[in-house]
Amino acid sequence: DAKTTQPPSMDCAEGRAANLPCNHSTISGNEYVYWYRQIHSQGPQYIIHGLKNNETNEMASLIITEDRKSSTLILPHATLRDTAVYYCIVRFLSGGSNYKLTFGKGTLLTVNP
Amino acid sequence: GAVVSQHPSRVICKSGTSVKIECRSLDFQATTMFWYRQFPKQSLMLMATSNEGSKATYEQGVEKDKFLINHASLTLSTLTVTSAHPEDSSFYICSASVEDEQYFGPGTRLTVT
Repeated sequence: DAKTTQPPSMDCAEGRAANLPCNHSTISGNEYVYWYRQIHSQGPQYIIHGLKNNETNEMASLIITEDRKSSTLILPHATLRDTAVYYCIVRFLSGGSNYKLTFGKGTLLTVNP
Repeated sequence: GAVVSQHPSRVICKSGTSVKIECRSLDFQATTMFWYRQFPKQSLMLMATSNEGSKATYEQGVEKDKFLINHASLTLSTLTVTSAHPEDSSFYICSASVEDEQYFGPGTRLTVT
């Protein structure tokens, strides 16, 4: 799977949008971009994923550049409960269920009151 | 839907004893489950991939005789840390996959004294 690069930490004011960048310059054509987050001492939580098009769900939006070499996760109105480590992962969407997720160091997002 | 539980959530054991951690998919059947380990301030590291009814596949550097994995049913996988030592103290997280997605458990904090 392609490697990703994320800033180690970011701060955001409560109520403002949090924009978390991720570089994945070696991504291949059929690899997806996935985002998970991990609140302290909990298991990771799925946020969103995409291939080429921008995606939006109830938690966040995912903006993928046209060349697919980078992406941005957007939390439109960050709350204190969004403080967590955010992981950007690229992976193949295999036909079966036997695949691996390779976690990098992620970005620690701290939402400040 | 797609809830994964782990038991226990915390365990303290003495050096040399064995500890069993259970991972259950509560509302779906998972043919594949994964076990991760996370040391303080580090990312998740995949230990092994477990398929129902077959032997687990261990990642390089993970001792299969020390970390015994049993995946006896489509909803239950167990990880047994045998002859635990203080260096095995860690946060152990399982995930279960269905339809190409992984859903994570809440984790088990193991402390070996």
